[in-house]
Amino acid sequence: EIVMTQSPVTLSVSPGERATLSCRASQSVSSDLAWYQQKPGQAPRLLIYDASTRATGFPARFSGSGSGTEFTLTISSLQSEDFAVYYCQQYNNWPRTFGQGTKVEIK
Amino acid sequence: QVQLQESGPGLVKPSETLSLTCTVSGYSISSGYFWGWIRQPPGKGLEWIGNIYHSGSTYYNPSLKSRVTISVDTSKNQFSLKLSSVTAADTAVYYCARGGQQMGVWGKGTTVTVSS
Repeated sequence: EIVMTQSPVTLSVSPGERATLSCRASQSVSSDLAWYQQKPGQAPRLLIYDASTRATGFPARFSGSGSGTEFTLTISSLQSEDFAVYYCQQYNNWPRTFGQGTKVEIK
Repeated sequence: QVQLQESGPGLVKPSETLSLTCTVSGYSISSGYFWGWIRQPPGKGLEWIGNIYHSGSTYYNPSLKSRVTISVDTSKNQFSLKLSSVTAADTAVYYCARGGQQMGVWGKGTTVTVSS
């Protein structure tokens, strides 16, 4: 199975600053990668798919990039509502696998 | 819009079978898409359990495959999860979702506790 590794585990950022989250796959997943945002007590919400396509409802400050084994989620200017846990997930191979998550917290 | 709702017992005894149902509204399961289950143990990350296509084809997490069955009932617009021989390690929030690639629509989740 493909192992997804996210870094850092926790990212402390001040509102208005830029956040950069990383996701690495143990083998190439092409661009078959999604990012999800999860807030406490809520279900995950699809944020990015196909590595760089923003899902409906998310503003342009969220962007995804990468292909193969290295992927990045960038939040250009953090707003209060962006503090959450972010997961990456590959769908190039079965079984589908998630990274362990990056928690973005207020600095 | 498409909505998914999980239902089932919140408490299951060790060694018994966990059974959950996901009811889909706003979209006909028989029209397409994969449908799946994901779980999240308390304070931990997401674990994919498996997917079923509307035609009945299934894919399971190898770590759970011997204990998992996912089925679909198109007449009720529902799909279901059965997980046998449960232990405390199966305590989690269980989510159903639409999609076998990216998972674009999720239920709110249901908490299942395994305890005697």
